[in-house]
Formats: sequence, C-alpha cells, structure tokens
Amino acid sequence: GALVYQYPRRTICKSGTSMRMECQAVGFQATSVAWYRQSPQKTFELIALSTVNSAIKYEQNFTQEKFPISHPNLSFSSMTVLNAYLEDRGLYLCGARHRPYAEQFFGPGTRLTVL
Amino acid sequence: GDSVTQTEGQVALSEEDFLTIHCNYSASGYPTLFWYVQYPGEGPQLLFRASRDKEKGSSRGFEATYDKGTTSFHLRKASVQESDSAVYYCALSADTGANTGKLTFGHGTILRVHP
Repeated sequence: GALVYQYPRRTICKSGTSMRMECQAVGFQATSVAWYRQSPQKTFELIALSTVNSAIKYEQNFTQEKFPISHPNLSFSSMTVLNAYLEDRGLYLCGARHRPYAEQFFGPGTRLTVL
Repeated sequence: GDSVTQTEGQVALSEEDFLTIHCNYSASGYPTLFWYVQYPGEGPQLLFRASRDKEKGSSRGFEATYDKGTTSFHLRKASVQESDSAVYYCALSADTGANTGKLTFGHGTILRVHP
C-alpha cells in the first residue's frame, strides 16, 4: 500500500532558530509533493507544491527564503523552517501523490513548537 | 480562486443517528472532490473521491454524490458509531495548469458521537 512517513513527529525549537523536517513516500513514486501547515483551529494552509521536473511553486505568504524545500527524487522531500517564530507553530503535513487527478496520501505530520 | 465551504464547527450525534455534513464548492473547470477524515495525532486519510457529475463515492458506510448542478458533495452516513468521531474535511483538486496537485480544503467539521 501507499504510505507517507514524516519525521520528526514533534520538534521544539527556540525562537529564531531553524528546523528541518522530512517526508518519505513508500510504495509509490511521489511525482508531486505538497507541504501544508495545519493551524490549531484545524484549517490547512498550502505552503508550496513541488512537482518533479518543475519549479517549486510557493503560495502567497510563503517564500523559498523562509521555507526552502528539496525534492531530490521520487520518494523523498524535505522542508526547512528558517528563523522560526511563534507564528510558525503548527502541524506541518506532507501530501504526496503519484499522478495527476489521484488522491494525496498524507503523512502524520511534524508538530512544531517554538519557544 | 477555488474554495470549499462545509458545515461549520461541531456536529454532535448519538450512536445509530443519521449523519449529514454539507459541502459546497467553487472552482474553475471540473474539479475532483474528496472527503478526508483526520483522527487525533494523525494526518488526513482519504475516505473516497469522485471525479464526475453524479458519481457516488463511498467507504466504511459513508457516501457522497458529486452534484455539479448544485456544486455540492454532501457527506452522509445512515448510522454512525462512536469510532466515527473525528474531523472530516471536504476538499477539491482542480488539477489545471499551475494548480496541478493542489488540494483546497474546507475548514473541517468535528464529529462527536456519544454512546
């Protein structure tokens, strides 16, 4: 079956520091990976969409300078939160899919706490 | 831009009650529609999807019918169980041009089922 792993599951960092989170697809080729942030109110914000052989597309209010993403192969993606502050807290979710029109499979998320 | 509106807040039911969670969408083109369920501490899991007008998606007793005329995809279940308690999200993917791979989520509906 198709599975998506994310790690770490939880992380705490000091304000102004950075942290990296990873996403791994198992059982399928992740041609497209989307990174979301889920707020405490449970709403989703799309951060960026990464498709193999295309440039990474960031949504408004999110930039590569703040959330650099790497998608080096069809099973792995990583995202770093640079200079994290309180407003960056939340659950970061990775959604991967293997072809257009297919569903996204989500990992369990990385919960970021900023002190 | 694309948007999804679903029943707000929380729905509280007793076991064996009938469930309806409303979902209406606005999108360009012909979107694929999804229902996802999220349990505490986990990422969203796909319940089912539908891609064409009048197509019915179903899983685990839940079902929804794609209605292009009313731009709706309401979630229903005839008899809920306590284990169905979770947050339910309606989502769409337009998969056109630059939006390929992007999921637009509703704000989520919390379902609480009491024994």
